[in-house]
Amino acid sequence: QQQVKQSPQSLIVQKGGISIINCAYENTAFDYFPWYQQFPGKGPALLIAIRPDVSEKKEGRFTISFNKSAKQFSLHIMDSQPGDSATYFCAASTSESYGQNFVFGPGTRLSVLP
Amino acid sequence: DAGVTQSPTHLIKTRGQQVTLRCSPISGHKSVSWYQQVLGQGPQFIFQYYEKEERGRGNFPDRFSARQFPNYSSELNVNALLLGDSALYLCASSLILSIPNEQFFGPGTRLTVL
Repeated sequence: QQQVKQSPQSLIVQKGGISIINCAYENTAFDYFPWYQQFPGKGPALLIAIRPDVSEKKEGRFTISFNKSAKQFSLHIMDSQPGDSATYFCAASTSESYGQNFVFGPGTRLSVLP
Repeated sequence: DAGVTQSPTHLIKTRGQQVTLRCSPISGHKSVSWYQQVLGQGPQFIFQYYEKEERGRGNFPDRFSARQFPNYSSELNVNALLLGDSALYLCASSLILSIPNEQFFGPGTRLTVL
């Protein structure tokens, strides 16, 4: 129940295209859903995050769509650029946690072709 | 401002040895979390410390321990190393212990156990 599932495992997109990564969770106590971007040799960096009281959040070319009833959320990268090539992780956390242990998905390796 | 720093960058140990990893949080951040990231997987929560007290522990054996110092820096110790402990160990800091909790990750320490 603590798992966060993520798909696809890898994604290849042409420059200018839309990249879509999907995540699903079981624990209805999760109430914070961040997305992280990780480049090789670097730690994950927070991209964008959403709370379940909204269905969509947009920051620049990055949009999170959230479906509470389906327990799913997705990351959309518009106008994908070669510089977006990285591994993306969805995560979930609950404010009821004694410790703020984020549960991460297994990651999606995105390659944007020039 | 300096981000989260970790030392050492890389470390090679043999089975049965002990290792200590160090983390300095962003200035003013009082919460430090440790994660283990095995190659090709998402980070897994190990510990969280806040104001020098353990606030959360993941599903890791007692060989793993940590502490936080008065200046909020932290150490992760792993005893009796196993081959399976080979991973990238990430430290994340955050300002306060609440949700939404924006965690900032360091570059990690790459531990190889031979």
